[in-house]
Amino acid sequence: GAGVSQSPSNKVTEKGKDVELRCDPISGHTALYWYRQSLGQGLEFLIYFQGNSAPDKSGLPSDRFSAERTGGSVSTLTIQRTQQEDSAVYLCASSLSSGQGETQYFGPGTRLLVL
Amino acid sequence: AQSVAQPEDQVNVAEGNPLTVKCTYSVSGNPYLFWYVQYPNRGLQFLLKYITGDNLVKGSYGFEAEFNKSQTSFHLKKPSALVSDSALYFCAVRDGSSGTYKYIFGTGTRLKVLA
Repeated sequence: GAGVSQSPSNKVTEKGKDVELRCDPISGHTALYWYRQSLGQGLEFLIYFQGNSAPDKSGLPSDRFSAERTGGSVSTLTIQRTQQEDSAVYLCASSLSSGQGETQYFGPGTRLLVL
Repeated sequence: AQSVAQPEDQVNVAEGNPLTVKCTYSVSGNPYLFWYVQYPNRGLQFLLKYITGDNLVKGSYGFEAEFNKSQTSFHLKKPSALVSDSALYFCAVRDGSSGTYKYIFGTGTRLKVLA
């Protein structure tokens, strides 16, 4: 079956512009995660959605970052007024649930470059 | 708070030799531990996990890991390395006793298997 997909695969933007990154999780997966992978860094947790529960936003680095998940499926990560330090690969992952440490399935990522 | 440490940025091993990639963790409750691998130009893939039960966990591609509670470690091992094992490896932990579903990833260890 289809895996997690993300779009766009690459995004180049100018400092100060807003960007939207999209994630399509595996059908039926109730949990969805966003991570950021910077060069030389590990994966940095950003936000987590589980079903209809309130999302865990504790990893969002600033109020310029926001995410939503519509209809329990597709998710959009929005970065407003982008800065050069936002340049990174943004990864999305989904899992069946998070009750017992289910395996996360990762998308290919969106590589964001802020000039 | 939970944390993960991967003390080696890079591990070099000759093909056919055993390999070990180290991971130590810190959680206040029960650890859920994972290893993921990132091959060049490909997304992260699940290798194996420890939730409960046997301390020795076997996973994909001949990899295994041993959960050691007293040393708070979850080192990844393989008896005989292949050149195709060359990749970036991430250890991750979640506190299974808390209400959070946040996974903390290490900074990654680059494994280079030399022919």
